[in-house]
Amino acid sequence: NAGVTQTPKFQVLKTGQSMTLQCAQDMNHEYMSWYRQDPGMGLRLIHYSVGAGITDQGEVPNGYNVSRSTTEDFPLRLLSAAPSQTSVYFCASSFSGTSGGNTGELFFGEGSRLTVL
Amino acid sequence: EDQVTQSPEALRLQEGESSSLNCSYTVSGLRGLFWYRQDPGKGPEFLFTLYSAGEEKEKERLKATLTKKESFLHITAPKPEDSATYLCAVQDRGRADKLIFGTGTRLQVFP
Repeated sequence: NAGVTQTPKFQVLKTGQSMTLQCAQDMNHEYMSWYRQDPGMGLRLIHYSVGAGITDQGEVPNGYNVSRSTTEDFPLRLLSAAPSQTSVYFCASSFSGTSGGNTGELFFGEGSRLTVL
Repeated sequence: EDQVTQSPEALRLQEGESSSLNCSYTVSGLRGLFWYRQDPGKGPEFLFTLYSAGEEKEKERLKATLTKKESFLHITAPKPEDSATYLCAVQDRGRADKLIFGTGTRLQVFP
């Protein structure tokens, strides 16, 4: 099993450009999510999905778009990149919890480091 | 508002010198508290889940404990390979779709 695979690992964008961060998992997890990690701020949830065709916003969704057409894939789109979106982005997945959502045991990818100039 | 505070921000230990990391939390109803380890340039890796006050979990040199307001990660006789950032997260019973993470404790263990 590859686990959670993120691409690209590094990306530099200019302000206003758009791009998609890819995330794929091969563990048949229902729950998938995107976090950003910034110094001194911890991991913050951007968007999440509890199954194919279902997505919802996290704490910091502005400027990002997601879709979930398959169980395996959960891409994150930056619509018009801004310097404030310079960050490390992590995709994470989990089985569904007994009361929905996730189990708390998240499997993370290795991260995508994005710089917006 | 759900909140997680970790202390200290950074900790330097000599190999074999035991210590504890603290995670204090505020949540309306705790569904679970989770510890993760993060190595530089990598994604976090799950360590433990704690559900109720008094619960303890152990793995090698690590032991996690939980009270009603905080959790401790005890590191006994640490080795240099234990050097990493340790993250604490909580899940509110009413919001099982998200985890609230602390900012972590960066641990360095030197020989």
